[in-house]
Amino acid sequence: GQNIDQPTEMTATEGAIVQINCTYQTSGFNGLFWYQQHAGEAPTFLSYNVLDGLEEKGRFSSFLSRSKGYSYLLLKELQMKDSASYLCAVRDHLRGATNKLIFGTGTLLAVQP
Amino acid sequence: EPEVTQTPSHQVTQMGQEVILRCVPISNHLYFYWYRQILGQKVEFLVSFYNNEISEKSEIFDDQFSVERPDGSNFTLKIRSTKLEDSAMYFCASSEARGDSSPLHFGNGTRLTVT
Repeated sequence: GQNIDQPTEMTATEGAIVQINCTYQTSGFNGLFWYQQHAGEAPTFLSYNVLDGLEEKGRFSSFLSRSKGYSYLLLKELQMKDSASYLCAVRDHLRGATNKLIFGTGTLLAVQP
Repeated sequence: EPEVTQTPSHQVTQMGQEVILRCVPISNHLYFYWYRQILGQKVEFLVSFYNNEISEKSEIFDDQFSVERPDGSNFTLKIRSTKLEDSAMYFCASSEARGDSSPLHFGNGTRLTVT
């Protein structure tokens, strides 16, 4: 089966650092993606990991451990505009010839002044 | 930056009516998708489309749903006889290639309300 788990909600302070965790159990694995979604808007792509380790992209970093089925998204120097849902998604390649992503339920991050 | 566009942004329909949701994927993309998100829930895969045919569909995508690429630019999702539980945000997405690192690019969605 497919299972992707994330905390439902998190709160952090402006200027601080926050880590959003994601664990997954999927029948296949061919990459893990993080998306940001503001309320009522489309998910927008943040980062991609397929090999173990850390990928850094400005204030955002994402880490993957394939053996543990674990990833995290690290947001530094938090800004109020970072208040959004953060979606962890896995590319499952075993089923068919598609690139589809399977999404977790998302973590709603509230940044407070 | 090129983007996926969807119309309409909001559609209200009565139960049992047919609706067509429209999407224009990014022009050089080859893979197209429909996802839905019921309010407060996760983004769920409906169907993927490549080379003018469905490549994969989920259990949600039953006989009431169909997709079509009627010309070189549009990609549509049709729901033949809408039910109350079809009320959701429907997102169209496209990706550039089958390469594993290709992210999906999402449109802004169509909010479907079935009354």
